[in-house]
Amino acid sequence: EVQLLESGGGLVQPGGSLRLSCAASGFTFSTYAMSWVRQAPGKGLEWVSVIYSGARTTYYADSVKGRFTIFRDDSENTLYLQMNSLRAEDTAVYYCAKGHTCGSNSCFALFDYWGQGTLVTVSS
Amino acid sequence: EIMMTQSPATLSVSPGERATLSCRASQSVGNNLAWYQQKPGQAPSLLIYGASTKATGVPARFSGSGSGTEFTLTITSLRSEDSAVYYCQQYYSWPPVTFGQGTKLEIK
Repeated sequence: EVQLLESGGGLVQPGGSLRLSCAASGFTFSTYAMSWVRQAPGKGLEWVSVIYSGARTTYYADSVKGRFTIFRDDSENTLYLQMNSLRAEDTAVYYCAKGHTCGSNSCFALFDYWGQGTLVTVSS
Repeated sequence: EIMMTQSPATLSVSPGERATLSCRASQSVGNNLAWYQQKPGQAPSLLIYGASTKATGVPARFSGSGSGTEFTLTITSLRSEDSAVYYCQQYYSWPPVTFGQGTKLEIK
């Protein structure tokens, strides 16, 4: 059974930093692209970042580029999101999501499993 | 960036009836279109991908159709547990990955 368990959320002041983790199990983690998707309170879904298998390729939403870094530790089956220079508008539940495979890179952004999310609140 | 627009924003339907949700892309996404269901307090879950292929365990009451820029999610024989927000998402051209703003389905 695929499981994704996020942790690391909490309350942080504007300008602060936070590192989120997503522990994966039930699949061969190293062979799948993984993403972070966030949802501000009462709002819709916003894709944040993706990292390919092998970790050589990453992409970011413009809203977080230069502030957030996605990385992975395949030996620990764990995905991370390092968040720096946090702003009030980064307040959201952050989900990690597993990419699908279909013979095309496009499916890396098809999310077939999601974690339960971790809440990040940026406030003074 | 491909914009995804869903309609209506809210849909109220009686149990046993049919619900039809729409999603429009600002440019063609082929059939690289997914639907997700998000129940209150829960994470999203994949319902439909490839515009019309049901994800594992999705009941036959759910079906997806369309290609290019116009897509539809149809739910027949509505049950109370279908009450949720439904999002469409394109995975044809990214980054950025883009979602629609969601349709809230209420069961009367």
